[in-house]
Amino acid sequence: LAKTTQPISMDSYEGQEVNITCSHNNIATNDYITWYQQFPSQGPRFIIQGYKTKVTNEVASLFIPADRKSSTLSLPRVSLSDTAVYYCLVGGATNKLIFGTGTLLAVQP
Amino acid sequence: SQTIHQWPATLVQPVGSPLSLECTVEGTSNPNLYWYRQAAGRGLQLLFYSVGIGQISSEVPQNLSASRPQDRQFILSSKKLLLSDSGFYLCAWSVPGSHSGNTIYFGEGSWLTVV
Repeated sequence: LAKTTQPISMDSYEGQEVNITCSHNNIATNDYITWYQQFPSQGPRFIIQGYKTKVTNEVASLFIPADRKSSTLSLPRVSLSDTAVYYCLVGGATNKLIFGTGTLLAVQP
Repeated sequence: SQTIHQWPATLVQPVGSPLSLECTVEGTSNPNLYWYRQAAGRGLQLLFYSVGIGQISSEVPQNLSASRPQDRQFILSSKKLLLSDSGFYLCAWSVPGSHSGNTIYFGEGSWLTVV
């Protein structure tokens, strides 16, 4: 499973766009990139998944460059309720799912 | 639809006492099952994962063990708890053998405090 590196923390203000980048230099050909959000005392929940280029859903966008060695989660117009820890997980049909340290996003009014 | 349940939600246990946390998944067959632990303010530590009944892989060789007696049941146990076992325990499942294999779904979590 590809090792991932993310910033430990980020700060933002309500209404801003937030971009969180994850590095995964040894990503394998069959690996997908998945982002999760975790609130205190809850399990992480799925946000978005992609393989290459750009993926967008109702809550976020995921940008993956051609070399796939990094990915960027983009949260448009964050609110206070987006304060959470965000994890990127890289892997394919693997049984061993190891999360990195995650990024604590703090949104201020 | 698939659901995952784990219990108990909260547990306070004395040092040296046994532990049993149980997790069940509904609405899917032959899932991969996982136990994670999260200490306060820390990341997710993978403890065990299972690809089938009776098949357990351990990532943390400590005083914890896991068992999978049925396809959709996963149990975390300890014979004698340590203070360092305190934390938030999460059961999770994923669909094996597909590109969405790293899409993982978590239970509600169990808070364990060892005193």
